[in-house]
Amino acid sequence: QVQLVESGGGVVQPGRSLRLSCAASGFTFSNYALHWVRQPPGKGLECVAVISFDASYDHYADSVKGRFIISRDNSKNTLYLQMNSLRVEDTAVYYCARDFFERDNWGSFESWGRGTLVTVSS
Amino acid sequence: EIVLTQSPATLSLSPGERATLSCRASQSVSNYLAWYQQKPGQAPRLLIYDASNRAPGIPARFSGSGSGTDFTLTISSLEPEDFALYYCQQRSDWPITFGQGTRLEIK
Repeated sequence: QVQLVESGGGVVQPGRSLRLSCAASGFTFSNYALHWVRQPPGKGLECVAVISFDASYDHYADSVKGRFIISRDNSKNTLYLQMNSLRVEDTAVYYCARDFFERDNWGSFESWGRGTLVTVSS
Repeated sequence: EIVLTQSPATLSLSPGERATLSCRASQSVSNYLAWYQQKPGQAPRLLIYDASNRAPGIPARFSGSGSGTDFTLTISSLEPEDFALYYCQQRSDWPITFGQGTRLEIK
């Protein structure tokens, strides 16, 4: 079955960097767009970034544009999120999510990891 | 950015009753709307995609309807495990956005 396992979260000071990883299994990784979705403690959901199945394009929320970079390694079945210049308001559980649809028809989140908590605090 | 407004914020019902949750978009999203269920400490679960299609493994008591700007999630007869937080989400345009959620609680 589909498995997504995030790692790399932790406590970091404002202005520092962190790299999240998401190891995937149970499906043909290179056929699906992948997403990072975050949820601040006790709050709602925000789609942070998406990367296409072949990494030919990506999109970012305005709140992270220019600071975060989404990438993928289809040979390792792994998704990444490089987070730079972190702010207190980036504190959240970060989920990786696989799309419901294959290839370029994307935007519904069928499979989710358990999430990794990122806390930005001095 | 497309804003999704869910109503009511909280819905108090008893097991066996029918639940009707609403989601309104600030502009048309065609049928590109999904519904998710989230329980405490868990990731969201996809219930409905593209307005009216149940995701694999989702019980038939969950149904979705609507198009354009007005959408509804209906749970025909509430089971104890259905009391949770529900979000709508649009994929019509980037950024993908979620509603603020409706909390379905036991009366």
